[in-house]
Amino acid sequence: GDSVTQMEGPVTLSEEAFLTINCTYTATGYPSLFWYVQYPGEGLQLLLKATKADDKGSNKGFEATYRKETTSFHLEKGSVQVSDSAVYFCALTSGYSTLTFGKGTMLLVSP
Amino acid sequence: GAVVSQHPSWVICKSGTSVKIECRSLDFQATTMFWYRQFPKQSLMLMATSNEGSKATYEQGVEKDKFLINHASLTLSTLTVTSAHPEDSSFYICSAYLAGESYNEQFFGPGTRLTVL
Repeated sequence: GDSVTQMEGPVTLSEEAFLTINCTYTATGYPSLFWYVQYPGEGLQLLLKATKADDKGSNKGFEATYRKETTSFHLEKGSVQVSDSAVYFCALTSGYSTLTFGKGTMLLVSP
Repeated sequence: GAVVSQHPSWVICKSGTSVKIECRSLDFQATTMFWYRQFPKQSLMLMATSNEGSKATYEQGVEKDKFLINHASLTLSTLTVTSAHPEDSSFYICSAYLAGESYNEQFFGPGTRLTVL
């Protein structure tokens, strides 16, 4: 079945540091890939997505590229802010609506 | 657009009572909604898929008599936790599925924190 593997956290960075959160997946067919962000005590917000190979999703300075050859969708940001502190979930959907989530990676950014 | 609300945002109840959580799509119609449960510092666990006008589809290991789901309209799904016990304390999140010509996406509610004493 489908699965998503994310790097375990927490990831602790200083403000303005470069961020990478790794995500790899296994899926049948050609899944769509997503990054969601969850701030403390809140639900999930879609951060970015990519629906086919080599697509790059981007939003709020974050970006991720759909790499079919390495089955990866790593999240990056060039300069993180304290307000980026949250839990980030990588997810995929294979054709229908059901999402498969990774375990989440907590990001802590200090001033 | 594509806003999903949940009510209540938090609830505290006594053991043995039932609690109803509402999930509403505010500006679109959703034939399919999903209910998730999230334990502290863990990922979302899909509990069930709710389809308007039909019975919900429950994931393996989820007690359908314990977690009653009703999707009576295209904008409302409810989750009722019956005879709640402390182990049912959790963060419950719903999502509504919206599909179009070039996209399909789940939109998530803000979650409901249930605490059973």
